[in-house]
Amino acid sequence: KQEVTQIPAALSVPEGENLVLNCSFTDSAIYNLQWFRQDPGKGLTSLLLIQSSQREQTSGRLNASLDKSSGRSTLYIAASQPGDSATYLCAVFTGANSKLTFGKGITLSVRP
Amino acid sequence: ETGVTQSPTHLIKTRGQQVTLRCSSQSGHNTVSWYQQALGQGPQFIFQYYREEENGRGNFPPRFSGLQFPNYSSELNVNALELDDSALYLCASSFWIYYGYTFGSGTRLTVV
Repeated sequence: KQEVTQIPAALSVPEGENLVLNCSFTDSAIYNLQWFRQDPGKGLTSLLLIQSSQREQTSGRLNASLDKSSGRSTLYIAASQPGDSATYLCAVFTGANSKLTFGKGITLSVRP
Repeated sequence: ETGVTQSPTHLIKTRGQQVTLRCSSQSGHNTVSWYQQALGQGPQFIFQYYREEENGRGNFPPRFSGLQFPNYSSELNVNALELDDSALYLCASSFWIYYGYTFGSGTRLTVV
């Protein structure tokens, strides 16, 4: 059974700091991994999608890496801004049952 | 292109009642999935439809049922509502798993 872990559950950093959010998963047989952002009470916004054959993806200030063999992914946020405050969730897609398995998310607060 | 739209945005129901939630998938997407997100938790997979056929189901009882229509829109039906069904219900659509999933803004269901 696939399990996804995101630690810590919450993080508070000063504006301008570079930060790394971690995600680990137990079964390396994944098709891809997706990072999402969720604002309070809202839906999910896709940030980055990494295929199992890829090592990293970049979009603006965001960079996500994937080490499938060790079951880890990181989301790097450069020069954090108060507008980056949100919950960040990672999810892995496995062929079994055609579903995304999510972590509980990391709630990020960027202080001005 | 339009994204994934869900209706209604908020809903209050009484225990024992039935509810129908609706989702219009993103243009060109033929796969729709439904997720339940309790407060402070990651989304949990309910089921997925591909071209009107259910092709994956999570650990939810049969009182959670769904449909996908020829235009790829979808419904989630929940019978005999329980207090624990109170959650944010998220719909996601995809064209192909390698392109990842696009999520809607969700329906907040409160059961009293």
